[in-house]
Amino acid sequence: DTGVSQDPRHKITKRGQNVTFRCDPISEHNRLYWYRQTLGQGPEFLTYFQNEAQLEKSRLLSDRFSAERPKGSFSTLEIQRTEQGDSAMYLCASSFGQETQYFGPGTRLLVL
Amino acid sequence: AQSVTQPDIHITVSEGASLELRCNYSYGATPYLFWYVQSPGQGLQLLLKYFSGDTLVQGIKGFEAEFKRSQSSFNLRKPSVHWSDAAEYFCAVLSGGYNKLIFGAGTRLAVHP
Repeated sequence: DTGVSQDPRHKITKRGQNVTFRCDPISEHNRLYWYRQTLGQGPEFLTYFQNEAQLEKSRLLSDRFSAERPKGSFSTLEIQRTEQGDSAMYLCASSFGQETQYFGPGTRLLVL
Repeated sequence: AQSVTQPDIHITVSEGASLELRCNYSYGATPYLFWYVQSPGQGLQLLLKYFSGDTLVQGIKGFEAEFKRSQSSFNLRKPSVHWSDAAEYFCAVLSGGYNKLIFGAGTRLAVHP
């Protein structure tokens, strides 16, 4: 049973650098979600895709953030000109329609 | 606005004791509710969910939760806690046209031997 996978699991970068994260959803799932979780908090919604279409973006997703899902399979989340406030766990989830969302292990980002 | 409140930030119980984690939600329509568990540095694992029907739902690892519409609550219970249950527990409601999850701040559970 292949679950949601994310790469890398950890990323340390310097302020001002660009970073890109990848998420591979469960293969039959048509929806893919990105969430951000800061220390001591619950995850917060960033954006979601249905197939290759990005249908909703949170106001948390500033113009330095961009997400893509070019072929309706894997997705990438890019952060440009990283800031220390971007340090967080970035979680990806997938679902079939509005059914249950299954989460990956997350990518922990530290911006120095 | 939709929201989820978990009133207890930390809970400590002895191994073998019973457990109840509280969750209150604010949502205008029929809520779809979830409990997830997160071990340190890991992603979230689904424990159980409520969409409709029987208000007492059973989940994995011996957990259950009861949906009470009159109290806007969805509390998680386990009759006998194991040391391996130590983790952070998140309650969530499916919001935004049933397109995104809104999470509570979580309850960190510690288990004493």
